Amino acid sequence: AQSVTQLDSHVSVSEGTPVLLRCNYSSSYSPSLFWYVQHPNKGLQLLLKYTSAATLVKGINGFEAEFKKSETSFHLTKPSAHMSDAAEYFCVVTGFQKLVFGTGTRLLVSP
Amino acid sequence: DSGVTQTPKHLITATGQRVTLRCSPRSGDLSVYWYQQSLDQGLQFLIHYYNGEERAKGNILERFSAQQFPDLHSELNLSSLELGDSALYFCASTDRGLRNTGELFFGEGSRLTVL
Repeated sequence: AQSVTQLDSHVSVSEGTPVLLRCNYSSSYSPSLFWYVQHPNKGLQLLLKYTSAATLVKGINGFEAEFKKSETSFHLTKPSAHMSDAAEYFCVVTGFQKLVFGTGTRLLVSP
Repeated sequence: DSGVTQTPKHLITATGQRVTLRCSPRSGDLSVYWYQQSLDQGLQFLIHYYNGEERAKGNILERFSAQQFPDLHSELNLSSLELGDSALYFCASTDRGLRNTGELFFGEGSRLTVL
């Protein structure tokens, strides 16, 4: 079965510093991987997706992620955090007829 | 705005009651998914409908049921409610298969509180 593990439940950064949110996946076939973001009291929004094309994927708001098959990882990065990036981030893998969500990482951004 | 509409946004009810959550997918999307988000369980897949037919079931309780109507809107029915059913229920839609680079477009959710 497909699954993802988000290695940190909370990540705290200062505004202007880099962001790294870690995700490892498990899949019995070549996966499609996504990062979604959830702002407070909002639905989930797609940040970026990997679908077996380029291994470095660029998303919205300056985020990007690199698919590393050898490490079964799909970490999310951003060079410089902004206050508006504070949210919950979910790493997601496609399963049978559904998306399988990680447990989420809450990103806290301090001034 | 994702284009997916969910009603009601908030609902407070008592144990033992029954509620219906409604979802209107994006125009043209044939697939509707329901997810439950709670503090202890995270985001759990409940059920998937495609063009009116049930395609996949996840961790959906027998007390819960869903359907997708000919106009493609969907309803999630929750009955004999328990305190543990308090959660945020999301509906999401897509116009293509998930493995075909499809993404899910989520509504803002219906927050159910059972007292």
